[in-house]
Parts: sequence; C-alpha cells; structure tokens
Amino acid sequence: DVVMTQSPLSLPVTLGQPASISCRSSQSLIYSDGNTYLNWFQQRPGQSPRRLIYKVSNRDSGVPDRFSGSGSGTDFTLTISRVEAEDVGVYYCMQGTHWPFTFGRGTKLEIK
Amino acid sequence: EVQLVESGGGLVQPGGSLRVSCAVSGFSFSSYWMTWVRQAPGKGLELVANIKEDGSEKYYVDSVKGRFTISRDNAKNSLYLQMNSLRVEDTAVYYCVTGSGRSPGIWGQGTTVTVSS
Repeated sequence: DVVMTQSPLSLPVTLGQPASISCRSSQSLIYSDGNTYLNWFQQRPGQSPRRLIYKVSNRDSGVPDRFSGSGSGTDFTLTISRVEAEDVGVYYCMQGTHWPFTFGRGTKLEIK
Repeated sequence: EVQLVESGGGLVQPGGSLRVSCAVSGFSFSSYWMTWVRQAPGKGLELVANIKEDGSEKYYVDSVKGRFTISRDNAKNSLYLQMNSLRVEDTAVYYCVTGSGRSPGIWGQGTTVTVSS
C-alpha cells in the first residue's frame, strides 16, 4: 500500500501567520490518465472531514483562497497564507491513485 | 443542496452483523461512484469500499474483504454497507462519501459502529 507521510504532526501557529503542511507518498501519484490524485481534507473538532483541495491544487467551492495546494510526483504541500481561528483542526492528505487509496496520519493545527 | 445521511450504527458483539445505510439527496445519485470511509476513535481515516454507478464494480480494502459488502439501490437513492463477522477493530464512525474515492467529495455526518462484548 502507498504510505502517506505527513509532517509535522502538530502545528502550533500564531493567528495571521502562514502555515505549511508537507505530505510525501511512497510512490509517484501520477495516474495513467495523467492526473495526480492528491487531496487535502480539513476536519474541525466534532465535524466530518471536508475536502479543501483535489488533484494537488484545485480548491473546492467555498474554500477560502488563503488555502493552496502544490507539489508533484511524491512531494506535496498545503499552505495557509494567514491562519484564522476557524482553521483549527486536523488536516489530512490522501492519495486516490493506487488502490487501496490511503490517507496520511493527519496534522493537528492549533493556535499558539 | 447535497445531503448524505447515514443510519444503522450501533453496538454489536464480536462476530455479529450490522448494516449501515446512507440516504442521498440533492444530486443525481445514479451517476456517481460512492464510497465508505471509516474513522476509529481518536484515529485517522481509512477508505473501506467503493462502488460504481451501476453497482457493477466494487472494491474493498484488504482488512474487510470477505466480511463487508457494499451495495446500492439507485431507485431509492441509497447506499449500504453490510458488515459481517465484525471485529473489535471495526469500531469506528462510518462515513458515506460521494465519488470513487480518487477525490472523495461530500461527506455525510457519519454513523457510529461499536463492536464490543
């Protein structure tokens, strides 16, 4: 199975400051159709996960533009340009290229 | 508005069976793959199974293969997960999610399955 390694696992951030989460896969995530199925999810406390980014860098409808995704091959990054209080929660990367599709362990973002 | 409402969770003994359901509204259910994802207490996410639009293709993670069956009723806009031979490690919140799982889209609120004696 493809292993998704996130870092850091804990991310204390000051309000208004940027934050960055790294996700590395054990295999290339480029699929035979040319797409790279790397997604990012946010799970706020007590809520279901919500997709933020799909196929590396496509932001979902309603997601603030302070969230952005980048990367290629096996190395990917979720960046929050200016952290707000509502961003507290756990962030997961997930690959949808190789079955079984797998998630990272999650990065817990908290406010300093 | 797209809505996914899971139901059917509960407490079951090891070795027992349970069927969880997901009622879908607000989009053309029969045109989309669907997926079940679970989250053990205090743990991360695991994609369990997915099913093609017409039910002709189904895929399972190894840990549930032979014990769980995913199915759908497009006439009723409903998705199901039949879980047999349940184990303690199957204890989790089970989420119904739109899409094949390559880019899981919209998630339900989840239903809790507890396997314990």
